Amino acid sequence: QLQLQESGPGLVKPSETLSLTCTVSGGSISSISYYWGWIRQPPGKGLEWIGSIYYNGSTDYNPSLKSRVTISVDTSKNQFSLKLTSVTAADTAVYYCATQNWAYGMDVWGQGTTVTVSS
Amino acid sequence: SYELTQPPSVSVSPGQTVRITCSGDALPKHYAYWYQQKPGQAPVLVIHKDSERPSGIPERFSGSSSGTTVTLTVSGVQAEDEADYYCQSADNSGSSWVFGGGTKLTVL
Repeated sequence: QLQLQESGPGLVKPSETLSLTCTVSGGSISSISYYWGWIRQPPGKGLEWIGSIYYNGSTDYNPSLKSRVTISVDTSKNQFSLKLTSVTAADTAVYYCATQNWAYGMDVWGQGTTVTVSS
Repeated sequence: SYELTQPPSVSVSPGQTVRITCSGDALPKHYAYWYQQKPGQAPVLVIHKDSERPSGIPERFSGSSSGTTVTLTVSGVQAEDEADYYCQSADNSGSSWVFGGGTKLTVL
């Protein structure tokens, strides 16, 4: 059974870069069935799709975040990663990774990791 | 940028039926998905491809689509259904996915 787990620093300073990794277990990140996505949720607010990546490196990003976001994949480690540059307090959120495809939407989610932007 | 519009909140008595709508111009073009999120938990997919229910999701959850609006229906609401519900779909290009603002379902 496919499982996803986010990892990374829980505290990032303003203007620095947020970096998170999602480790996939129970299946291969090179599967043609899935894209691999990142989603975030600020405290008390709704879900925001950040972007997604296919195993071959093809990416799609939320237009509102595109200038600051990079998503990459490491098939050798069965992981994909998120980098968000020039963070501010507005980037404080729970960050989730999830599978993504046209048939099932986002049907497998990680548990989420809280990232706080503060000096 | 593309938006999906949901009512902020709905309320219903146990055993009744509630419908949550989601509107967006590109909904006739792309499937919609619905997620349930309880406090402190990751979202759970309850409807995919507009109206299909994943295994393990109770039959009281159903979805439908008509033009630029999709609807999540919960029939015979139970106390455990109290949660936030989010619709999701893609913009016209299909390259950017979007969530609706979420609807808080309160069971009276």
